[in-house]
Amino acid sequence: ETGVTQSPTHLIKTRGQQVTLRCSSQSGHNTVSWYQQALGQGPQFIFQYYREEENGRGNFPPRFSGLQFPNYSSELNVNALELDDSALYLCASSFGGLNTEAFFGQGTRLTVV
Amino acid sequence: SQQGEEDPQALSIQEGENATMNCSYKTSINNLQWYRQNSGRGLVHLILIRSNEREKHSGRLRVTLDTSKKSSSLLITASRAADTASYFCATARIRDDKIIFGKGTRLHILP
Repeated sequence: ETGVTQSPTHLIKTRGQQVTLRCSSQSGHNTVSWYQQALGQGPQFIFQYYREEENGRGNFPPRFSGLQFPNYSSELNVNALELDDSALYLCASSFGGLNTEAFFGQGTRLTVV
Repeated sequence: SQQGEEDPQALSIQEGENATMNCSYKTSINNLQWYRQNSGRGLVHLILIRSNEREKHSGRLRVTLDTSKKSSSLLITASRAADTASYFCATARIRDDKIIFGKGTRLHILP
């Protein structure tokens, strides 16, 4: 149990729709990172938020966006969903950025039909 | 693109044996981390080794890092059924501070 919670655990959406995934970080952590993991692959870095500002982004289009709130919880928003967006979305929290141990939530399984 | 590449892709061993997984990467890194993932759920952090370290231990785990060869290894000694999982290495690149995961090694411990 890492103290990082994600909601919802499972979600089914239709192509073209928008989705919002949520993450509550571990107490005391000020950094949240989001990853996309396709079946049989390793997690792909989407972006990171540090003290409410994005401070790192992977190779994902602008329709992937995020927010971090004053309590350091975070949202991942995906617009204009595509079938290839079907994946496990993982949130990780840490203190101090990318060079420290990250604690992962259990993920949200998104299926786009 | 994947920065880290784990080897082998899959490994089956008898309970009680040692399991060794390797990770190779391409660019200079700040640190390298190993994670475990059970059944496609959240990742569990195992160990972090910094670029100026060569070896770290944590319980039954031993990690080595060779920055000249851009490679790392994870050794699990006296394996148990509960060690069955996918293991990923993740590198923190110096040039852009991104964490890049490999595709993982699927470890299966046979009873």
